[in-house]
Amino acid sequence: GAGVSQSPSNKVTEKGKDVELRCDPISGHTALYWYRQRLGQGLEFLIYFQGNSAPDKSGLPSDRFSAERTGESVSTLTIQRTQQEDSAVYLCASSREGIGGYTFGSGTRLTVV
Amino acid sequence: GESVGLHLPTLSVQEGDNSIINCAYSNSASDYFIWYKQESGKGPQFIIDIRSNMDKRQGQRVTVLLNKTVKHLSLQIAATQPGDSAVYFCAEKAGNQFYFGTGTSLTVIP
Repeated sequence: GAGVSQSPSNKVTEKGKDVELRCDPISGHTALYWYRQRLGQGLEFLIYFQGNSAPDKSGLPSDRFSAERTGESVSTLTIQRTQQEDSAVYLCASSREGIGGYTFGSGTRLTVV
Repeated sequence: GESVGLHLPTLSVQEGDNSIINCAYSNSASDYFIWYKQESGKGPQFIIDIRSNMDKRQGQRVTVLLNKTVKHLSLQIAATQPGDSAVYFCAEKAGNQFYFGTGTSLTVIP
């Protein structure tokens, strides 16, 4: 597609359940970021994938969070045993070479009840 | 940790006036900066970027100024239009990470 696609757009889950969020980057974009955005706040870095290099996982807030990416394609962000504080919009962004012109998806709004 | 702060959380301007949105950053090693616009319910949209070896860059109706001495970044929007109403984020790149501020909410009054 022409843009970064994220699914689902909205997810309501019960506390303690696992969720999986999906990001389809723009074709040919080697760099992919996941961010978290709490209501009224800025973007919190979670994880960065660049090509076949080892991902930068330094932003993941706990071991309940994990992300995978196969090559330069789809990425999934998994949150295990969700907590209410995980409620946020999770944004994915990709770019061609890891700098400049990042394109964001519309995000997945996660609500943990 | 890194911090990117904004001087004004909200800004209201009359349609047709110029807008200036300010941003302070903390990491003197940051070498790349981006301004994003985020409309309600949407992901951030790239507006303009600037590298640290520049102090000014112009786009269509937008200008970004970088003052490395005081670690300050600003976004100027000329002839602000109602469609410019959004939250504007600045971001600095240090290493692999982009650090975003809270954002400034710009409201354009018709």
